[in-house]
Amino acid sequence: DVKVTQSSRYLVKRTGEKVFLECVQDMDHENMFWYRQDPGLGLRLIYFSYDVKMKEKGDIPEGYSVSREKKERFSLILESASTNQTSMYLCASSWGVKERNEQYFGPGTRLTVT
Amino acid sequence: ILNVEQSPQSLHVQEGDSTNFTCSFPSSNFYALHWYRWETAKSPEALFVMTLNGDEKKKGRISATLNTKEGYSYLYIKGSQPEDSATYLCARFNAGNNRKLIWGLGTSLAVNP
Repeated sequence: DVKVTQSSRYLVKRTGEKVFLECVQDMDHENMFWYRQDPGLGLRLIYFSYDVKMKEKGDIPEGYSVSREKKERFSLILESASTNQTSMYLCASSWGVKERNEQYFGPGTRLTVT
Repeated sequence: ILNVEQSPQSLHVQEGDSTNFTCSFPSSNFYALHWYRWETAKSPEALFVMTLNGDEKKKGRISATLNTKEGYSYLYIKGSQPEDSATYLCARFNAGNNRKLIWGLGTSLAVNP
């Protein structure tokens, strides 16, 4: 079974803090994604990566950065957390030809910025 | 941005009822259509990935069809059970410069025992 794990299920941070969200997958998937999910807005793509050390901006990259130093790990960084970044963050991975293969999701991190 | 629309937004059915939802999307430059089930407190889980016009896929009591020419997909659940209660999401793969999934907002299904 594919397993995608995220470092925390719940996280509370203060405004201005630097926040790291870690995602690890154990199936040697090439593609990894970071989404946020907010009520009424659906899943929105923040950043994605199709290879190690490669990253592409999604729909809402402002205020975020990512790092992919190893194939299995994709980190999302909030450079200076703000209250409007309070959200559910989901990591996903997929293999091979990007559009034809389903994404496997982690359990999510519910981040609250106070 | 190419919009993916899902209807209805929410649905309440009785156990044993059959039901269906719709996912509509722009038909131009179509690559693939994904369906996911997202149960409360769990991760989204893939149901189907469909690529060809006329595709039909089935997993147990759940099936899906795809019409790429007119830009829609139907998801059917036969004999709904309480464990089918979840949000059902569809997503279309967006070709072009920024290749990624475009997600609908989902259909929230509640099955009453």
